[in-house]
Amino acid sequence: EAGVAQSPRYKIIEKRQSVAFWCNPISGHATLYWYQQILGQGPKLLIQFQNNGVVDDSQLPKDRFSAERLKGVDSTLKIQPAKLEDSAVYLCASSFGSGANVLTFGAGSRLTVL
Amino acid sequence: DQQVKQNSPSLSVQEGRISILNCDYTNSMFDYFLWYKKYPAEGPTFLISISSIKDKNEDGRFTVFLNKSAKHLSLHIVPSQPGDSAVYFCAASVLGSARQLTFGSGTQLTVLP
Repeated sequence: EAGVAQSPRYKIIEKRQSVAFWCNPISGHATLYWYQQILGQGPKLLIQFQNNGVVDDSQLPKDRFSAERLKGVDSTLKIQPAKLEDSAVYLCASSFGSGANVLTFGAGSRLTVL
Repeated sequence: DQQVKQNSPSLSVQEGRISILNCDYTNSMFDYFLWYKKYPAEGPTFLISISSIKDKNEDGRFTVFLNKSAKHLSLHIVPSQPGDSAVYFCAASVLGSARQLTFGSGTQLTVLP
């Protein structure tokens, strides 16, 4: 079974620039999550999708962050404009259903904002 | 508001000895607890879990203990191996929360040969 795919693995941008991250979940997994992990902290949920609908985006800074999952499969997370404090690893995870207890994570996309 | 806390940022253990990683939580609504292991440049991988209706779950060298009255769980690894060196995250979820995980800040385990 292929895992959760994410790209790019690394990205360096200047503040105020924009960046986009892509995630392809495990085939058949209806629920997709984006987490932000700042160095020295645990992952923090940004947004959760069930198929192509948003379940929870209460922790997403909507003035600069946006995410979509148009066909209920792949997802894109965008940051525009980026701030220094957005430097983090952005982790995508998926699970079979919203009631599933175990999430499978991708390797993450490391963002550095200069 | 840190609902899941791992107060030890790091732990060093000799190979073959027991590793004990601790986690405390404040939200009494949490009903499912998980441990994830993370190697550098990789995503967290699921290790072991426990439901709040149990107080112990064992899987090979890994055992998780849950003390609901103390709002405390621990992960025991015995015997510890150098390949166990990684960051360990404790996570918890609430029934009805669409299984969103709340993570602790992690403990870096180093197993010395």
